Amino acid sequence: DTAVSQTPKYLVTQMGNDKSIKCEQNLGHDTMYWYKQDSKKFLKIMFSYNNKELIINETVPNRFSPKSPDKAHLNLHINSLELGDSAVYFCASSQSEADTQYFGPGTRLTVL
Amino acid sequence: AQSVTQPDIHITVSEGASLELRCNYSYGATPYLFWYVQSPGQGLQLLLKYFSGDTLVQGIKGFEAEFKRSQSSFNLRKPSVHWSDAAEYFCAVGDNDYKLSFGAGTTVTVRA
Repeated sequence: DTAVSQTPKYLVTQMGNDKSIKCEQNLGHDTMYWYKQDSKKFLKIMFSYNNKELIINETVPNRFSPKSPDKAHLNLHINSLELGDSAVYFCASSQSEADTQYFGPGTRLTVL
Repeated sequence: AQSVTQPDIHITVSEGASLELRCNYSYGATPYLFWYVQSPGQGLQLLLKYFSGDTLVQGIKGFEAEFKRSQSSFNLRKPSVHWSDAAEYFCAVGDNDYKLSFGAGTTVTVRA
């Protein structure tokens, strides 16, 4: 059973489009996260939700909007995509603060 | 805010040789420390973590790490590397605010 899953695995799109990435975890965790990994493999947290409430928003452009319909899901919607949004986006979850975070397989977004 | 430094960008090691990856952190309180591994095209997998207690931590795949508060370090070691250990290794420090900060990563190449 996959603990943290993301769809799609690859996403290629044109500048200016709007796209969504979905994340689901079946671990029963309360906290979920989105990270961005750039071309130099640097990982940076973008958002965190605890029990469907936003708790971390790391100065991410407001074109990025996370949505958590329930504790098991955290989706990422991106409006007006730009070239600089090309990256690998990872979803993660953890039981509580400072607990181990379990990562999904990543979604490679390419903006042309 | 916490931060992590991985001084070695790239390490090449012969199969069967020992490996040590350095990690230094900056954090005002007791840190939660992690090592993750990312194989090419894959997500992140937790190798080991330190929350408290014994400063020598055993992980999966034969890895261990030692927390040294006086040196603000959490170096990862493996006595004998296998070709399958070729990957990107990330050290991370977590705080009580759900934030995980990653180092820039160390690429490990294993030569036959």
